[in-house]
Amino acid sequence: RKEVEQDPGPFNVPEGATVAFNCTYSNSASQSFFWYRQDCRKEPKLLMSVYSSGNEDGRFTAQLNRASQYISLLIRDSKLSDSATYLCASHGSSNTGKLIFGQGTTLQVKP
Amino acid sequence: EPEVTQTPSHQVTQMGQEVILRCVPISNHLYFYWYRQILGQKVEFLVSFYNNEISEKSEIFDDQFSVERPDGSNFTLKIRSTKLEDSAMYFCASSEAGPGDEKLFFGSGTQLSVL
Repeated sequence: RKEVEQDPGPFNVPEGATVAFNCTYSNSASQSFFWYRQDCRKEPKLLMSVYSSGNEDGRFTAQLNRASQYISLLIRDSKLSDSATYLCASHGSSNTGKLIFGQGTTLQVKP
Repeated sequence: EPEVTQTPSHQVTQMGQEVILRCVPISNHLYFYWYRQILGQKVEFLVSFYNNEISEKSEIFDDQFSVERPDGSNFTLKIRSTKLEDSAMYFCASSEAGPGDEKLFFGSGTQLSVL
């Protein structure tokens, strides 16, 4: 099983829609989780951290489900500018600070 | 806003040649990383560096790869004898706090093309 897995999509949604992505992780000892956004051929940019209690930042909400070992990202009121690839990341079994990334989920928001 | 800078943005080289990719991490960060992303694939970890030494490396990071922090600001990745399969986007990243708070910030990458 891959350490971090995501459905690659693409998810095609109309503007204004609510869309949710899940990401599963295999290492139950993982403590830190993050969502990054990556635009085509650009660097990953930190979108938000994922805390046990959940985390909300404007239209974005991240949740952690330790029992089922997945994290989720919910985007409300999608904008055209939300079109990108969303990467989930975990520190896995390492104690060196490295992050392990999923392959990303592509979102296309259509007018 | 402080950022990680990488040079060059594009590097074209012949197979077998040596390349050096350069990075200037965010100034107060202590943990440094190199990742790569082959076109259409996921972002893969190569190496982590802390306190002037490698703290972890992946299977990809074989004897052809090396990293160095030659002065207080630069962090370099050297590939001694490039192969076709080394063609990828290489990202440098840094973090302030390291393990337990791995908010990594990435540079804009160097696109390496090996011909």
